[in-house]
Amino acid sequence: DIQLTQSPSFLSASVGDRVTFTCRASQGIGTYLAWYQKKPGKAPKPVIFDASTLESGVPSRFSGSGSGTEFTLTISSLQPEDFATYYCQQVNSFPLTFGGGTKVEIK
Amino acid sequence: EAQVVESGGGLVQPGHSLRLSCSVSGLNFDNYVMSWFRQAPGKGLEWVGFIRSKGFGETTEYATSVRGRFTISRDDSERIAYLQMSRVEIEDSAVYYCARSGHGGSYYLPPRNFDHWGQGTLVTVSS
Repeated sequence: DIQLTQSPSFLSASVGDRVTFTCRASQGIGTYLAWYQKKPGKAPKPVIFDASTLESGVPSRFSGSGSGTEFTLTISSLQPEDFATYYCQQVNSFPLTFGGGTKVEIK
Repeated sequence: EAQVVESGGGLVQPGHSLRLSCSVSGLNFDNYVMSWFRQAPGKGLEWVGFIRSKGFGETTEYATSVRGRFTISRDDSERIAYLQMSRVEIEDSAVYYCARSGHGGSYYLPPRNFDHWGQGTLVTVSS
């Protein structure tokens, strides 16, 4: 199975900050990576697919990059509604797997 | 309005069965993969399995942890996907989410994304 390691596990930041977090795959997955935003009690919200394609309706302050084994999700100016846990997911091969998540908290 | 709505969760005893439903409205259904995911209390997201469209023979893929115990099916006429959970274990306790695929997918490759998700239904396995 492909393991995804997200770092950091927790990130404390302020509104307006630029934040970047990483997802590393245990083997190359091309650009078959998606990012989801998860808030308690809410459905996962798709953010990015194909490593860098913004999902419909997602603000342009979100961006994704990377290929192979290292990927990043960047929020250029953190907004109050962005405080959540972010998960990466590989869709390169079965079984589909998720990273452990990065929780973005208010400083 | 696009909606994905799960139902059927509840309390179930270990070793018993439960069937979850996922109803889709306001979205195309027939030609898309329907997938189930779950999140156990305090844990991260986990893929459970999915079912391809009739065009791909309604074939299924499952996570190792549920293969042989869980079965996914679909009824395109009703626009519903099902997750039949059998021989449930304590570790199956979780919020179960249903999601529709977005782009891509074939017999050999998963879809590239899942772009419409439901709010989830809670399954608690306990004696």
